[in-house]
Amino acid sequence: DSGVTQTPKHLITATGQRVTLRCSPRSGDLSVYWYQQSLDQGLQFLIQYYNGEERAKGNILERFSAQQFPDLHSELNLSSLELGDSALYFCASSVAGLASEQFFGPGTRLTVL
Amino acid sequence: GQQVMQIPQYQHVQEGEDFTTYCNSSTTLSNIQWYKQRPGGHPVFLIQLVKSGEVKKQKRLTFQFGEAKKNSSLHITATQTTDVGTYFCAGCCDTGKLIFGQGTTLQVKP
Repeated sequence: DSGVTQTPKHLITATGQRVTLRCSPRSGDLSVYWYQQSLDQGLQFLIQYYNGEERAKGNILERFSAQQFPDLHSELNLSSLELGDSALYFCASSVAGLASEQFFGPGTRLTVL
Repeated sequence: GQQVMQIPQYQHVQEGEDFTTYCNSSTTLSNIQWYKQRPGGHPVFLIQLVKSGEVKKQKRLTFQFGEAKKNSSLHITATQTTDVGTYFCAGCCDTGKLIFGQGTTLQVKP
């Protein structure tokens, strides 16, 4: 158990819909990262937040947005969903910035039908 | 942009054989991290290398960071079935992002 929690574990929805994925980092970790992992694909970095502020952005689509709240939990919002958005979405946290080891949550498996 | 390439993509070995995965970056890295993802699981941090030419060992696993800090390798001696999974390298932090390689999936035949 990494100490990072993600909800929900599974999500099945239809094209065009909007969903919200939630992540609670390890106690004391200030950074939260979001990754997308498609079938047989590596980990695609989406976005990083540090202590409530956006720190780095990857290949995140305009239909996707995220935020980190004062209690440091984070949410990833995915809208106008397409079939290709079906993937495993991981949240990770670290004590500080990118030089720190990242602790991954169990992931949310999103299926868009 | 910065790219991190990892080879091979897949490797099947007989239990007891050695295994190596290689990671190459298009740019010089500040550090490199290695993660392991078991089937159905999430990535788990293994190690971080920071210094040029650094070599670190964890039991049967040996990690190396190249002199130019653009490549790295993970070598497993005498693989066991518990080594099954996908090994990712992740290069940091030229662009302010941790860039993951595509991973090497290791299968071990008992």
